[in-house]
Amino acid sequence: AQTVTQSQPEMSVQEAETVTLSCTYDTSESDYYLFWYKQPPSRQMILVIRQEAYKQQNATENRFSVNFQKAAKSFSLKISDSQLGDAAMYFCAYRNYGGSQGNLIFGKGTKLSVKP
Amino acid sequence: GAGVSQSPSNKVTEKGKDVELRCDPISGHTALYWYRQSLGQGLEFLIYFQGNSAPDKSGLPSDRFSAERTGGSVSTLTIQRTQQEDSAVYLCASSTRQRPNYGYTFGSGTRLTVV
Repeated sequence: AQTVTQSQPEMSVQEAETVTLSCTYDTSESDYYLFWYKQPPSRQMILVIRQEAYKQQNATENRFSVNFQKAAKSFSLKISDSQLGDAAMYFCAYRNYGGSQGNLIFGKGTKLSVKP
Repeated sequence: GAGVSQSPSNKVTEKGKDVELRCDPISGHTALYWYRQSLGQGLEFLIYFQGNSAPDKSGLPSDRFSAERTGGSVSTLTIQRTQQEDSAVYLCASSTRQRPNYGYTFGSGTRLTVV
């Protein structure tokens, strides 16, 4: 069974600085997606960035980028120029794409605080 | 609609009562999921609907929980004889299986409080 591990329950960053959130996963599948979701206090889960496993190029979305290491099964999120609005819970998630699709599997989350 | 809609936003119920939570997915999304998030916790998978296939109910915690999806669109999660441990936020999500927009869109959730 696939698993997702986020080893940092809490992280803190100074406004305008850069922070990296860690995520590792375990799977025997070859065709899958990885996601980072943000959940602010409003509880709305917001998709931050997605990565397709068959693409070697790391995904980027404005100030958000990932470091996808397929062999190491690592998928970290880098937030550049951190803003107060980035404060939230961040969840790493995995999902198969191929024939054995299933549900989205989440890590336990990292609570990010941004200091002004 | 433009997003996933869940109702009610908040629900307070007495222990032992039945509750129904509704999810209206994005039009055209064939897959629909229910998750539960207890206070300060991650997301716990409950049930998954994909098209006309039999739902994956492997995450339902007890037989007090059930869900249906009518006409491949709206879904209702029913909790019978609610218990205090059922208090949580119930999140619904829908997804497309089409690349490159593959991913889940979540609703804002229903916060259930059992008193």
